[in-house]
Amino acid sequence: GENVEQHPSTLSVQEGDSAVIKCTYSDSASNYFPWYKQELGKRPQLIIDIRSNVGEKKDQRIAVTLNKTAKHFSLHITETQPEDSAVYFCAAYSFSGSARQLTFGSGTQLTVLP
Amino acid sequence: DVKVTQSSRYLVKRTGEKVFLECVQDMDHENMFWYRQDPGLGLRLIYFSYDVKMKEKGDIPEGYSVSREKKERFSLILESASTNQTSMYLCASSKGIQETQYFGPGTRLLVL
Repeated sequence: GENVEQHPSTLSVQEGDSAVIKCTYSDSASNYFPWYKQELGKRPQLIIDIRSNVGEKKDQRIAVTLNKTAKHFSLHITETQPEDSAVYFCAAYSFSGSARQLTFGSGTQLTVLP
Repeated sequence: DVKVTQSSRYLVKRTGEKVFLECVQDMDHENMFWYRQDPGLGLRLIYFSYDVKMKEKGDIPEGYSVSREKKERFSLILESASTNQTSMYLCASSKGIQETQYFGPGTRLLVL
């Protein structure tokens, strides 16, 4: 089945700096890669996603890049703000074999220091 | 707005008890999921369902079963609760297979 590794597990940045979270996946058949944000005590919510026919996608201060050859994708947050502090999860959707499911990474706790 | 609700926010059960966790969505979504969230392990899929009365195992189905008798409701059952099932349980739903999953608020289960 799919295996998704996420790094780093914790990340602290100064307000206004950029943050980058990286994920690798194992199944070359994976073709959909969403990112979820979970604020403390709240439910995860989708913030951005990318499909395998696209290399990069942006939404205001957030961008995601995908390298299919290397099987890794990254979340970039620019001009970080305190409200960006949360746990971020990457995920990969695979169709290979009998597996048709979203597999999540282990999460990154991002702290934006004022 | 998509609304996914879970029957309890907190539950305390004894080892060996049968536990029912219920999830209801109000957006006519085809797909529903049960995840378990533990620190450092992310979200792990227990079971999912693509249609009424249909279920598929996720990565960690052992010790769990599910029921989907109606489209809007997906239940997770712990047949005989054990202490290693102490965790946060999250339900989610989505319209399509590769579309946004909307999560419920979670149920924090403590098994003593």
